[in-house]
Amino acid sequence: GAVVSQHPSWVICKSGTSVKIECRSLDFQATTMFWYRQFPKQSLMLMATSNEGSKATYEQGVEKDKFLINHASLTLSTLTVTSAHPEDSSFYICSARDTRDRVGETQYFGPGTRLLVL
Amino acid sequence: DAKTTQPTSMDCAEGRAANLPCNHSTISGNEYVYWYRQIHSQGPQYIIHGLKNNETNEMASLIITEDRKSSTLILPHATLRDTAVYYCIVLGDTGRRALTFGSGTRLQVQP
Repeated sequence: GAVVSQHPSWVICKSGTSVKIECRSLDFQATTMFWYRQFPKQSLMLMATSNEGSKATYEQGVEKDKFLINHASLTLSTLTVTSAHPEDSSFYICSARDTRDRVGETQYFGPGTRLLVL
Repeated sequence: DAKTTQPTSMDCAEGRAANLPCNHSTISGNEYVYWYRQIHSQGPQYIIHGLKNNETNEMASLIITEDRKSSTLILPHATLRDTAVYYCIVLGDTGRRALTFGSGTRLQVQP
């Protein structure tokens, strides 16, 4: 199956700093990528939809100025957590859909990035 | 997208078949049933999906009832590595929208 990678796999940072997380589709092109967040013992929650060459679409309650998304190519989307605070500590996961997929085809998930803000 | 209902947790003996049910009584004709699983501290893993016919791949089988209001994911010979949270998700359109994850079923495979 298709492979999605994320970097870094984990990061620890001080409060107030910014952290960039990369999501790459390794063997396919992805017009659309999705960013999720998962807190302990909870399910995945969609944060935003990232579209190549256009602005991201954010879910209600997600601050677009705090979580900056850039989808500059068909294989790379980045999520930058600006001025991170301890409450931003979470497991961030991206997914991507193969551009060539027809109706009913699947999305592929990255391994996730664990962020700890001190 | 149709809402799904799954049991909170299930146990299964190693080597036996694990049958995970999912109700999706409000599913519409163009909506697919997807199954993903999430092993602890990892990203979700795609398992299988179907529209109305039963499907089988190297990981599992998906049985969808004739009225499409429910389905069952079958892991034919569960191993300890199959211990995970299993999510049943219904999604229409061409997949441009994101998947909506519910609480899923926590499957514990016992030795």
